[in-house]
Amino acid sequence: KQEVTQIPAALSVPEGENLVLNCSFTDSAIYNLQWFRQDPGKGLTSLLLIQSSQREQTSGRLNASLDKSSGRSTLYIAASQPGDSATYLCAVRNSGGSNYKLTFGKGTLLTVNP
Amino acid sequence: DVKVTQSSRYLVKRTGEKVFLECVQDMDHENMFWYRQDPGLGLRLIYFSYDVKMKEKGDIPEGYSVSREKKERFSLILESASTNQTSMYLCASLWAGGAHEQYFGPGTRLTVT
Repeated sequence: KQEVTQIPAALSVPEGENLVLNCSFTDSAIYNLQWFRQDPGKGLTSLLLIQSSQREQTSGRLNASLDKSSGRSTLYIAASQPGDSATYLCAVRNSGGSNYKLTFGKGTLLTVNP
Repeated sequence: DVKVTQSSRYLVKRTGEKVFLECVQDMDHENMFWYRQDPGLGLRLIYFSYDVKMKEKGDIPEGYSVSREKKERFSLILESASTNQTSMYLCASLWAGGAHEQYFGPGTRLTVT
């Protein structure tokens, strides 16, 4: 059974700092991995999606990497801003079988202080 | 842009009431999902549907049912609401072709008193 872990559970940084959020998964037979952002009381916004054949994806100040063999992904945020404060969730879709299901980590709560 | 909408942002219901949560997507996606999100437990899949009138149980289907009569609409039904169903409910959709990127609605905060 796939399990997804995100460390740390919470992170507080000063504005302008570069930071890395970590995600690990137990079963390397994945189809893709998706990073989401969630603001308090809101739905999930998709940030980046990495296919199993890819090593990384970039969008603006965000860069996500994937090391399938070691079961790890990182989300790098450059030059953090207070508006980046949110919970960041990592989710994995397994390959084979019914691959409609996403397995989620519990998220990292990021606070960027002005 | 894909748009997933949910009928209510906030809902307050009494124990024993029948509750309907509605979700609509505008991108002709085959797959739709209902999750609930609780502090400390994360997101858990209740039901999903891979086509009209087709459904599969997720990880926590007990106490819930679903209906998908049209491709764009997926309804979650609480037959007899209970206080332990107080939660944030999130709907999502997915196009089965291509990248398999999942899109979420804004969520419904349901309180059962």
